[in-house]
Amino acid sequence: NAGVMQNPRHLVRRRGQEARLRCSPMKGHSHVYWYRQLPEEGLKFMVYLQKENIIDESGMPKERFSAEFPKEGPSILRIQQVVRGDSAAYFCASSPLGQKYEQYFGPGTRLTVT
Amino acid sequence: KNEVEQSPQNLTAQEGEFITINCSYSVGISALHWLQQHPGGGIVSLFMLSSGKKKHGRLIATINIQEKHSSLHITASHPRDSAVYICAVMNYGGSQGNLIFGKGTKLSVKP
Repeated sequence: NAGVMQNPRHLVRRRGQEARLRCSPMKGHSHVYWYRQLPEEGLKFMVYLQKENIIDESGMPKERFSAEFPKEGPSILRIQQVVRGDSAAYFCASSPLGQKYEQYFGPGTRLTVT
Repeated sequence: KNEVEQSPQNLTAQEGEFITINCSYSVGISALHWLQQHPGGGIVSLFMLSSGKKKHGRLIATINIQEKHSSLHITASHPRDSAVYICAVMNYGGSQGNLIFGKGTKLSVKP
């Protein structure tokens, strides 16, 4: 059973471009969470999704950021018009339906905005 | 003041030493996680606790709900234990994904 997969592992974007980060949860997991780790800071919750549904987006910046978890395919975190302050490590985690507190983390995507 | 505080921030130990990392939190919680982040950045979930004590190999995690405190212990430490250890709590009444993280404890174990 493969773990949580994220791609790309490293992503470089120029200011103003779009960044798309992908997360494939573990097989059988229907819950996905995105977290951001800014340089020299702790992890922060961004958004919690189930298939085709955003459950909690209280940690998402109000503008330029969006997330989806379609019926088929990976979850996508999309950042439009990136700025230098978006440079961070973005981690995805997943959990199975009914296992409320278990979360399995992916390896992360390191976004660098130049 | 952060809702989740870890101590110490940095810890250097000699191989074989017994290590303790502490986590205090100020909110009501439904669960507490201990995570390990290696250089290179991947995160591994070590424990999830809602009460009592759990043991896995050389790692032991305890939680005292009344005192809002948890500890992570490493027995017979080894250089491969060198990593950042992160405490995270699930706020009671919050959505299940909304973890609140401590800033981490950077552990370095010297041979």
